[in-house]
Amino acid sequence: DARVTQTPRHKVTEMGQEVTMRCQPILGHNTVFWYRQTMMQGLELLAYFRNRAPLDDSGMPKDRFSAEMPDATLATLKIQPSEPRDSAVYFCASGLVREQYFGPGTRLTVT
Amino acid sequence: DQQVKQNSPSLSVQEGRISILNCDYTNSMFDYFLWYKKYPAEGPTFLISISSIKDKNEDGRFTVFLNKSAKHLSLHIVPSQPGDSAVYFCAASAVGGGADGLTFGKGTHLIIQP
Repeated sequence: DARVTQTPRHKVTEMGQEVTMRCQPILGHNTVFWYRQTMMQGLELLAYFRNRAPLDDSGMPKDRFSAEMPDATLATLKIQPSEPRDSAVYFCASGLVREQYFGPGTRLTVT
Repeated sequence: DQQVKQNSPSLSVQEGRISILNCDYTNSMFDYFLWYKKYPAEGPTFLISISSIKDKNEDGRFTVFLNKSAKHLSLHIVPSQPGDSAVYFCAASAVGGGADGLTFGKGTHLIIQP
């Protein structure tokens, strides 16, 4: 049963600290997405990669957020420095054609 | 500017009856539409999708209808079961060569009453 995995599942950190979230996409999927869910904005696309190359990161605050795919089995989303407004659930998803399959999310709390 | 709208934050339906969830969109470039189901503390789960060249797609108890002229789609669940209680998200993507970023609605919380 192929699934997207994300670590950590929960993260509590203090303002100003660096946060790194990791995602393992489904094997064979060539596109990886990062989304953020908040109460106010709902689910928003932050960035995505195809064949490990960044395609679109226009949804991401670039001064503090960065997304990378070091290899085909790992995608990372980093926030440095973190702020309380970054508190949200961050989802990774992967896909090959039009459907996307989501991981369980990382719940981030920045105090 | 919300390009995908789900105007009903919640919907309550009796078990065994039909659940109809609605979604409207404004972007004419959207050509593929998806429905996701989400339980608390889990990621969204893909349910069913439809291409803009079709007006109906059916998968078991789930049917999605697309009305392009009205920029409206709906998800029908028949018969509704207790396990269908969840938040349902409508999503859309624009023309592209493969998987592209999705634009989501805010979701509808479906409650199936016994």
